[in-house]
Order: sequence, then C-alpha cells, then structure tokens
Amino acid sequence: QSALTQPASVSGSPGQSITISCTGTSSDVGSYNLVSWYQHHPGNAPKLMIYEVTKWPSGVSTRFSGSKSGNTASLTISGLQAEDEADYYCSSYAGSDTFVFGGGTKLTVL
Amino acid sequence: EVQLVESGGGLVRPGGSLRLSCAASGFTLSGVWMHWVRQAPGKGLVWVSRINSDGSRTVYADSVKGRFTISRDNARNTLYLQMNSLRDEDTAVYYCARRDWFDLWGQGTLVTVSS
Repeated sequence: QSALTQPASVSGSPGQSITISCTGTSSDVGSYNLVSWYQHHPGNAPKLMIYEVTKWPSGVSTRFSGSKSGNTASLTISGLQAEDEADYYCSSYAGSDTFVFGGGTKLTVL
Repeated sequence: EVQLVESGGGLVRPGGSLRLSCAASGFTLSGVWMHWVRQAPGKGLVWVSRINSDGSRTVYADSVKGRFTISRDNARNTLYLQMNSLRDEDTAVYYCARRDWFDLWGQGTLVTVSS
C-alpha cells in the first residue's frame, strides 16, 4: 500500500495550463480505470474534480481534465485562475477492495 | 443539503480508544459504500478503511488492521470508526467519504494521540 507519486509542487501563471502527474504501479493505476482527482483547500473538505480517469462530476469546470497512460495518470488544469490554488490529490483502486492516494501536489498560481 | 458531518475526535493518550461518527444528511446512507480517510499534520491523504452498503464487508489499510473497526447504522444514517490501541502516528484529521470515487467528503474531525 505505497502512496502514489505526485510532484510536491507545481506553479503557473493565470491563464496558463499545468499538468500534475500521479504515478503508481501495475497493481493500481495501471490495472484499473478508477483514478480520481481531488482539490483540497486546507481546512475545507476535499472536492472531487475528476473520477474514473476522465469523467467530470456535476458542477466541476471542464478546465480540469484527466488522462492516463500506463501506470501514470495526469490532471491538467487549463486557463489557470487564482482560485485554483490548492492542494491536489489523486487516488486509485488498488485491488482487493483497497485504495491508495497520492502524496499531494501544492499548486501555486503566480 | 447533501453533506457528511464527522464528530468524536479529541485528545487521547497512546493505547487509548475513540469512536468517530459520520452523520449523513440529504441522502440515504444505505446502498452506498463508505470510506474513512485521514490526513496527518502536514501530510497527504491516506486511505484507512471501506465498508459495503450493508456492513457485511469491510477492509482496512495495513497500518490500522486489527486496531480499527468500521461499521454503519443505516437506520441512523451514520458511519462509525472505532479506534483502539491508538498510537502517536494515528494523529490526524479523519474524514469520511462517499462511494469509491470519494464524491462527497465531510469537514473532518481531529484526533490527537499524545501523552
């Protein structure tokens, strides 16, 4: 049950696009299309942004998009806005009814 | 309003016990698989446990297996986490979350294990 690997931090200017990677193994990310992404402003409840690799929950901006290749999933945020500044986490089903999260990425909007 | 509200956190000594609750409102808990996730101070989210819709099937992270018990009372629309033999490293904010894609989270409840 090792955590998925995410970069500790990423940054971008308003209007730009950024991508956050989430690297797992063939036992989790690589085997299941059950990767989700969350936005977390500290002190608040985490918010689901993408599920099942590419799907948007109701109400989430399409500026957020997900993809997966092999053992690595990615979250892309286009048209960066100041309110996008937050911590972002990925999660994946890891088999045998277990789940695993990434270590988190702090997004700074410059 | 659809929401989850955790309660029951607090300060407990190492070796002690605590029971967390997660009250659901605005939707029916029955028929929904539920999870507990925790976040230690300054650290990332860590999956803790999952329970199926009727409570007959539970699974735990290795770090809490044998010490924590997840359960639910669908009639009360409430999820629980019984935590025994607590350790310093269990100090964290504990969140409950809905479904396997964690589509709804509570605000969390802080558990501090310290002597």
